[in-house]
Amino acid sequence: NAGVTQTPKFQVLKTGQSMTLQCAQDMNHNSMYWYRQDPGMGLRLIYYSASEGTTDKGEVPNGYNVSRLNKREFSLRLESAAPSQTSVYFCASAGVGGKKTQYFGPGTRLLVL
Amino acid sequence: SQKIEQNSEALNIQEGKTATLTCNYTNYSPAYLQWYRQDPGRGPVFLLLIRENEKEKRKERLKVTFDTTLKQSLFHITASQPADSATYLCALDIYNQGGKLIFGQGTELSVKP
Repeated sequence: NAGVTQTPKFQVLKTGQSMTLQCAQDMNHNSMYWYRQDPGMGLRLIYYSASEGTTDKGEVPNGYNVSRLNKREFSLRLESAAPSQTSVYFCASAGVGGKKTQYFGPGTRLLVL
Repeated sequence: SQKIEQNSEALNIQEGKTATLTCNYTNYSPAYLQWYRQDPGRGPVFLLLIRENEKEKRKERLKVTFDTTLKQSLFHITASQPADSATYLCALDIYNQGGKLIFGQGTELSVKP
């Protein structure tokens, strides 16, 4: 039982390049989330998926797209990377019920030059 | 505007003392409040959840209080140990927001031997 996994762990991009961050969970959770974390800013929600087949914008969705490929996988795509997207990206998942405790992956460190 | 505020300055305490971290919020009506721990280079890990109708919750050396009138939660670690050194995040689960969590920016705790 690996929990939430993310790939890659670290990536360097040039401005304008595209890439996809991958996330998978093996806990049969319905909800999945993508956050970015910047110094002094805390975790900010980019997109989330309440269930397979649905996605919704969070606080900072501009410049990103997501795909809920199936119940296990939720990917985040940067179509044209910008230096402002340099950050640490975390994927999380949560099960059914009212508590919505979230389980986080180890993060992807992205540097855009 | 809606805000969640945690002590922005790092908290330094001596081993064996009680650490108290504060989470204040404005303009929210949370169903739950959660506390997470984050170690450097890792994703947050869930610690405790407290419901709006609960005043206090305990788990081993951890205690959380929730005052919806003051719009404040306090997080206590008793008999603190150097291994408790980490950043602690509070998060609000807001009614009618699809289970999304709103995170504070976190407070860094350092426990000295």
